[in-house]
Amino acid sequence: SQTIHQWPATLVQPVGSPLSLECTVEGTSNPNLYWYRQAAGRGLQLLFYSVGIGQISSEVPQNLSASRPQDRQFILSSKKLLLSDSGFYLCACQGDYGYTFGSGTRLTVV
Amino acid sequence: RKEVEQDPGPFNVPEGATVAFNCTYSNSASQSFFWYRQDCRKEPKLLMSVYSSGNEDGRFTAQLNRASQYISLLIRDSKLSDSATYLCVVTPWTSGSARQLTFGSGTQLTVLP
Repeated sequence: SQTIHQWPATLVQPVGSPLSLECTVEGTSNPNLYWYRQAAGRGLQLLFYSVGIGQISSEVPQNLSASRPQDRQFILSSKKLLLSDSGFYLCACQGDYGYTFGSGTRLTVV
Repeated sequence: RKEVEQDPGPFNVPEGATVAFNCTYSNSASQSFFWYRQDCRKEPKLLMSVYSSGNEDGRFTAQLNRASQYISLLIRDSKLSDSATYLCVVTPWTSGSARQLTFGSGTQLTVLP
């Protein structure tokens, strides 16, 4: 079964600073990968998904971007963070029976 | 209208009680259905898939009514450890391999001693 590693677990960043969150997957090859965000007290929102290296689909236009430089690596980035970027960021891997999520990164923009 | 709607709760029930959660979805072309469980400040974890014929896993029973676009989760003999937020999740039909999950905002359950 697949295992998803996300880091860091917690991050506090000032407004206007850059961001890079990394997700790596073990136990599978050529997975479909997803980035979700959960704002405080709200549901999960799909940000990006990728079906392969270099293939990124964006669901919500905003100041975030994603990249898939390797088969089992998915990166979420921003050049300049906004206060509204605060939230719980989750990487997910599609399996045969639902998705597996990483443990998430809790981002606070101050 | 939200794509997936759930009663946010909170549901506060005593140990041993039976509790039911409901969920409706707006996209009639939705293909797959799940219930996820999310503990406070943790990632969601798959609880069970939901099939048209209904399915049961121990104390948990899930039902799907495609005609009414309605999904339910029944928890019998509630335990303290069942306290969590329960997320109704739907995936649309797509032509590619990707299956984007659409989440409800969750129903919060607290089981009281």
